[in-house]
This record gives sequence, structure tokens and C-alpha cells, in this order.
Amino acid sequence: AQSVTQPDIHITVSEGASLELRCNYSYGATPYLFWYVQSPGQGLQLLLKYFSGDTLVQGIKGFEAEFKRSQSSFNLRKPSVHWSDAAEYFCAVGRGYGGATNKLIFGTGTLLAVQP
Amino acid sequence: DGGITQSPKYLFRKEGQNVTLSCEQNLNHDAMYWYRQDPGQGLRLIYYSQIVNDFQKGDIAEGYSVSREKKESFPLTVTSAQKNPTAFYLCASSMVTSRTGELFFGEGSRLTVL
Repeated sequence: AQSVTQPDIHITVSEGASLELRCNYSYGATPYLFWYVQSPGQGLQLLLKYFSGDTLVQGIKGFEAEFKRSQSSFNLRKPSVHWSDAAEYFCAVGRGYGGATNKLIFGTGTLLAVQP
Repeated sequence: DGGITQSPKYLFRKEGQNVTLSCEQNLNHDAMYWYRQDPGQGLRLIYYSQIVNDFQKGDIAEGYSVSREKKESFPLTVTSAQKNPTAFYLCASSMVTSRTGELFFGEGSRLTVL
């Protein structure tokens, strides 16, 4: 069965430091992978997605992620964190349905705190 | 502006009462979804609908019901049969024809059962 694992429940980084959030997936075929961000009490916003091509994908707000098939990973990175990046981050994998991968499986999330 | 509107944002109910959460979208998306979010558990799919007058159970449909009478609307009823209804509920939509499956989310409804 498909699954997504985010091993880090909570991470604290200093403002200006680099960030890497881990995501591992289990999926039989080529996965459709996503990173979403959620501010407190809000819905989710798409940061970036991968479905084919270049394994390093760029997203909004200066985030990027790298797909590594050999490691079944899709880690999210940012070179310099801003205080406004404090939020919860969710990795997700798309399950196929009639050719459209609309049914996403979400990880349990990583809560990012940014200290001055 | 196009988007998804969920209401109410906060809802309190007594145990044993049915409650209905509203979800409306003006993105002209065919597909709509309901997810439940609990601390430490991520998002779990309750129901989804790919087309008007049709919907499918997700991973945790027991105790919930939905309808899809209009393309724009996908209300969720939390029935008294749901054993632990207190949670944050998120509605989402997507293009059925989208190969990448990107979901667009509303801002959520927080239900507290007293």
C-alpha cells in the first residue's frame, strides 16, 4: 500500500539558517509528489510538485525539493529560512485514479518553528 | 477571486447532533474532496466526488455523509454515528483532467463536540 513518512514531527531552526524537511514514500509506480504548507488554522497551500522530468523542482517562497528514486525520498529544502516560514509542512503522494492522481495520501506533517 | 469557501469556520455541537459543513467553489473544478485533520495524523480522506450526483467513500467514511447536487457545492454531514467527530475539516477541489492532481484547499472548519 502507498504511504508517506515524515520522520520529523517538530523542527526548530534559526532565522537565516538552511532547512531540510524529510519525506519518504512507498509507491509501486512513478509517484506524483507534493509539498504543501499550512499556517495555523488555515487550509493547505501547494509549495511545489513533481511528476516527471528534472528531479530538482523549484517552488514558491524560495523552496525546492529533490526527488531521489533510489532513496524513495522527496526532501524539501530552503537555503535561508525566514520567520514567516514557521508553519506545518505536509508531504503527499498521489494515488492514480482514472489517469488523474487526485486522491492524495498525506504524511503526518512536520511543524517548523523559527527562532530569531 | 476564485477559490473555495468553507463555513462555518468554527462550530460547536452537542453529542448526538448531526452537523453539516458547507463547501463552495468557484474554480469550475469537477472534483471535490473532504479531508479530516487530527493532530499528529495528517489528513485523511473522508469522501470525494468526481462529478455531479456521484461520490465515493474515502478511507474514513463511516459516520459521514455527503451530497453533490451542484458542481459548485459539496456539503459534508457529520452524523451522530461518528464516534469522534471533533476535528478540523478541510474541503478541496481539483480538475479531474489534471494529470498532476494538484488540490486547492479551503480554510477549514473546526468542529468541536461537547
